Amino acid sequence: GAGVSQSPRYKVAKRGQDVALRCDPISGHVSLFWYQQALGQGPEFLTYFQNEAQLDKSGLPSDRFFAERPEGSVSTLKIQRTQQEDSAVYLCASSRGPNSPLHFGNGTRLTVT
Amino acid sequence: GENVEQHPSTLSVQEGDSAVIKCTYSDSASNYFPWYKQELGKRPQLIIDIRSNVGEKKDQRIAVTLNKTAKHFSLHITETQPEDSAVYFCAASMGGSYIPTFGRGTSLIVHP
Repeated sequence: GAGVSQSPRYKVAKRGQDVALRCDPISGHVSLFWYQQALGQGPEFLTYFQNEAQLDKSGLPSDRFFAERPEGSVSTLKIQRTQQEDSAVYLCASSRGPNSPLHFGNGTRLTVT
Repeated sequence: GENVEQHPSTLSVQEGDSAVIKCTYSDSASNYFPWYKQELGKRPQLIIDIRSNVGEKKDQRIAVTLNKTAKHFSLHITETQPEDSAVYFCAASMGGSYIPTFGRGTSLIVHP
């Protein structure tokens, strides 16, 4: 079946613009994670959903970041008033459940100019 | 929260040599330890994982060992090939939080 799908693949935003990043997880996967990956670094946790419930958002760097998964499937990560330090690859991953392997999408590379 | 340290940051080997990457974790409650391989410009992909009730796991040329007492785990790749060149990430997660914390990655370069 299809893997995790993320869109857009690349996004260039001017500083101050709002952006929305979409993640389509593998069908039936309960858990969904968002990670931020800076160049040459490991993925840094942003937020975690179990079905539609956002169980942990402790990794979101500021209140400009917001994530939702209203029907327990597709998720959207929104960044308001983008700043240069938001430039990174945003990775979405889904899994069958707790402590199961993560399946990553290809990521969205966000560049804020 | 969990903290994962990974060493070395870069590892250069000759084709056919073995490669070892080591990770330590801070939270003794962690019980799931996956390893991911990320090729340039691509998504991380799981290559092997181990749970805390097992000390070692092998899959062809790849093995992972876990020392719960010392809170460290290692990835071993034997008979390395140029296509093994990539960045490798270790991760650890706890039974309670289920959120994998990643190491900073090891760039493995296999010279033909």
